Amino acid sequence: DSGVTQTPKHLITATGQRVTLRCSPRSGDLSVYWYQQSLDQGLQFLIQYYNGEERAKGNILERFSAQQFPDLHSELNLSSLELGDSALYFCASSSRASLSGNTIYFGEGSWLTVV
Amino acid sequence: DQQVKQNSPSLSVQEGRISILNCDYTNSMFDYFLWYKKYPAEGPTFLISISSIKDKNEDGRFTVFLNKSAKHLSLHIVPSQPGDSAVYFCAANWVQGAQKLVFGQGTRLTINP
Repeated sequence: DSGVTQTPKHLITATGQRVTLRCSPRSGDLSVYWYQQSLDQGLQFLIQYYNGEERAKGNILERFSAQQFPDLHSELNLSSLELGDSALYFCASSSRASLSGNTIYFGEGSWLTVV
Repeated sequence: DQQVKQNSPSLSVQEGRISILNCDYTNSMFDYFLWYKKYPAEGPTFLISISSIKDKNEDGRFTVFLNKSAKHLSLHIVPSQPGDSAVYFCAANWVQGAQKLVFGQGTRLTINP
């Protein structure tokens, strides 16, 4: 158990819909990262928040957005869903903003299926 | 642009033998490298890391080697055990960069009894 909690674990929704994925980081961790893993892709970095502020942005679509709340939990919002958005979405957390010499810990992922 | 590449999608090794997983990178600014292991239906778990100031880091059965001139790192597992069967991801980061780990595509390791 990494200490990172993600909900829901599984989600099936229709194209055009909107979903919200939730992540609670490990106790004391200020950084939250979101990653997407599709069937034919490795882990793709989407976005990082540190202590409530956006820190780094990766290959995140404009239809996707995220935020980190004062209690440090984070939500990833996916809208106007397309079939290609079906993937495993991972949240990870770490104690510092910098990754150098730091380790990030992953949650178990939220499996999104768009039909 | 795939900055971190794991060219072998899968690897099969006999129990007790050495498993060698390879990873190549293109960005010479990367200075910190990690290996993650992932079982089905679970999130990736940290395995071992290495800073660019070193060329080897060892932790029990796991050793990571870094060849900066070749932009290549490898993970050695010896002896391989059935529980090592999983997908292994290498990842890289650099201090002055955007602070985001860049992952390879993963290599599925299967340990045969």
